[in-house]
Amino acid sequence: GAVVSQHPSRVICKSGTSVKIECRSLDFQATTMFWYRQFPKQSLMLMATSNEGSKATYEQGVEKDKFLINHASLTLSTLTVTSAHPEDSSFYICSAYPGGNSYNSPLHFGNGTRLTVT
Amino acid sequence: KQEVTQIPAALSVPEGENLVLNCSFTDSAIYNLQWFRQDPGKGLTSLLLIQSSQREQTSGRLNASLDKSSGRSTLYIAASQPGDSATYLCAGGGGGATNKLIFGTGTLLAVQP
Repeated sequence: GAVVSQHPSRVICKSGTSVKIECRSLDFQATTMFWYRQFPKQSLMLMATSNEGSKATYEQGVEKDKFLINHASLTLSTLTVTSAHPEDSSFYICSAYPGGNSYNSPLHFGNGTRLTVT
Repeated sequence: KQEVTQIPAALSVPEGENLVLNCSFTDSAIYNLQWFRQDPGKGLTSLLLIQSSQREQTSGRLNASLDKSSGRSTLYIAASQPGDSATYLCAGGGGGATNKLIFGTGTLLAVQP
């Protein structure tokens, strides 16, 4: 149980276009989801916390107009990279706590999306 | 602000060896400490979670400890196998309404057959 599904797994887009990444909790509801970014051979950097029915909370240094987050339902959060540039190329991963329990339940991750901007 | 570091950055061991991965964090007011495994190009798989009130957790050949006073956690892997080869990440939870995780830099483990 507690599966987080992320789509697409890979995407290649041209500079200037926008790309949408979906994150779904398949068998639990998630009022909160987390979006991370990972550069090659580096650790995960938290970008934003997605909140169902309200605005996302962005970490310092993350452009909210660049990385649009929408949490339209209790099982779906989307990250849209707008006007993508080559420097946006990265591995994006979403995650959530099943049942909102963050104390004794581990964070569950999707399989990530490899974005390449040409 | 919580900062998490891991040493070593990379480790190569022969199959069958026992090994220890280290994780250090700066803020002792940690909510919980989680260890993950990441295979190349994949998401993260949870290995162990230690609540702030606990000192260790065990799962199979894995044992994780937590010492809040010294700001350290260790992941012990017994009788390592080639299938254990992956990047291991620790993450500290800050608590609060969302318990955001701050990740360490990771240890890339290679177990040689």
